[in-house]
Amino acid sequence: DTGVSQNPRHKITKRGQNVTFRCDPISEHNRLYWYRQTLGQGPEFLTYFQNEAQLEKSRLLSDRFSAERPKGSFSTLEIQRTEQGDSAMYLCASSFRLTPYEQYFGPGTRLTVT
Amino acid sequence: EDQVTQSPEALRLQEGESSSLNCSYTVSGLRGLFWYRQDPGKGPEFLFTLYSAGEEKEKERLKATLTKKESFLHITAPKPEDSATYLCAVQAQGGFKTIFGAGTRLFVKA
Repeated sequence: DTGVSQNPRHKITKRGQNVTFRCDPISEHNRLYWYRQTLGQGPEFLTYFQNEAQLEKSRLLSDRFSAERPKGSFSTLEIQRTEQGDSAMYLCASSFRLTPYEQYFGPGTRLTVT
Repeated sequence: EDQVTQSPEALRLQEGESSSLNCSYTVSGLRGLFWYRQDPGKGPEFLFTLYSAGEEKEKERLKATLTKKESFLHITAPKPEDSATYLCAVQAQGGFKTIFGAGTRLFVKA
């Protein structure tokens, strides 16, 4: 399967715990996006990487959120001291440099904070 | 502030009943407008990119059009398998942030 993969698919955690999600983009894609989606809403932009460089980060993102993309391959999104409001679907998308606006999404990681 | 508004929130059609979905946008310099389809429990699936007013794109029963303030997704003779949420998104020049609307949930009954 050459699509975008995300792990884990589901995560249940207690309030105050840290969680980390992983995204593996399509192999030749150099652009990578993270989004958050809640029920009945469209995806909300979190951050953007071009290769290993994080070029844009949403102002809505608090300091508890951090993302990395070492070596321009897979990416991780960490949420520290989780809150109930962090419960959502976290989506990763990647795109190819020649078709940068065609984003291919992964299946998402559903986070539930209890 | 850049913004995307989609209407209606939900649309119920009979199979074969053509209709249109609306996407109104406000953006400071449009780089591109995008349409995606999302099935329950899955990530969005890319459909179209439109770059300038007057542009049109087609794929099977779907046709997307763009004006300076709106985009329409026309669905011709829909089938039950077209049932999904259709998302509109924009990206402004000078940045990489993609702004999505809340989507239109389409239900097509056989």
